[in-house]
Amino acid sequence: EAGVAQSPRYKIIEKRQSVAFWCNPISGHATLYWYQQILGQGPKLLIQFQNNGVVDDSQLPKDRFSAERLKGVDSTLKIQPAKLEDSAVYLCASSLESRWGSNTEAFFGQGTRLTVV
Amino acid sequence: AQTVTQSQPEMSVQEAETVTLSCTYDTSENNYYLFWYKQPPSRQMILVIRQEAYKQQNATENRFSVNFQKAAKSFSLKISDSQLGDTAMYFCAFMIDSNTGKLIFGQGTTLQVKP
Repeated sequence: EAGVAQSPRYKIIEKRQSVAFWCNPISGHATLYWYQQILGQGPKLLIQFQNNGVVDDSQLPKDRFSAERLKGVDSTLKIQPAKLEDSAVYLCASSLESRWGSNTEAFFGQGTRLTVV
Repeated sequence: AQTVTQSQPEMSVQEAETVTLSCTYDTSENNYYLFWYKQPPSRQMILVIRQEAYKQQNATENRFSVNFQKAAKSFSLKISDSQLGDTAMYFCAFMIDSNTGKLIFGQGTTLQVKP
């Protein structure tokens, strides 16, 4: 089966510009996660969707970050305006459902590496 | 607050030897999940092994096994017969709320397997 697809793989922008990332989860997966991974750190959850509804966005900087998951499939994450500290890898992941059992697993995409200069 | 700590930023091991990566966590919860993820240069996080806190038996997946010490809040990963393809960043992760699947990650350990 196809994995989680993300684009673009790399993006370089100047501070104060805007940028958008796209994620296509595994077909049939109801839950979608966006994680931010700053260089040298572990990923940190930004936002989680269950179908097209937001489950957790407590760590999303809402003054500049926004995300949507229209129709409960693809998702986009936007930053406007970008700051230097937004330089990171943005990982998208999906799982079949939000409630985890013994065999539930989150599948990750290859991420988008954002550099803000 | 729940935290995950990996105290070894970098480790190296000779091919075919055994290496252990350390992880400690902090929580007041009794039921939770623990995971080890591998992140190669391609950046894609790959699940290596998982442990459910209510299970006393340590999880094993082929060459990978864990030493889960619940009282000590320790969750180390042992890689036996190390292979060059094991070279990657390894992250310990923790989930307390199985209703959401939110993962809390440690800082990671870079493992290099030398030929």
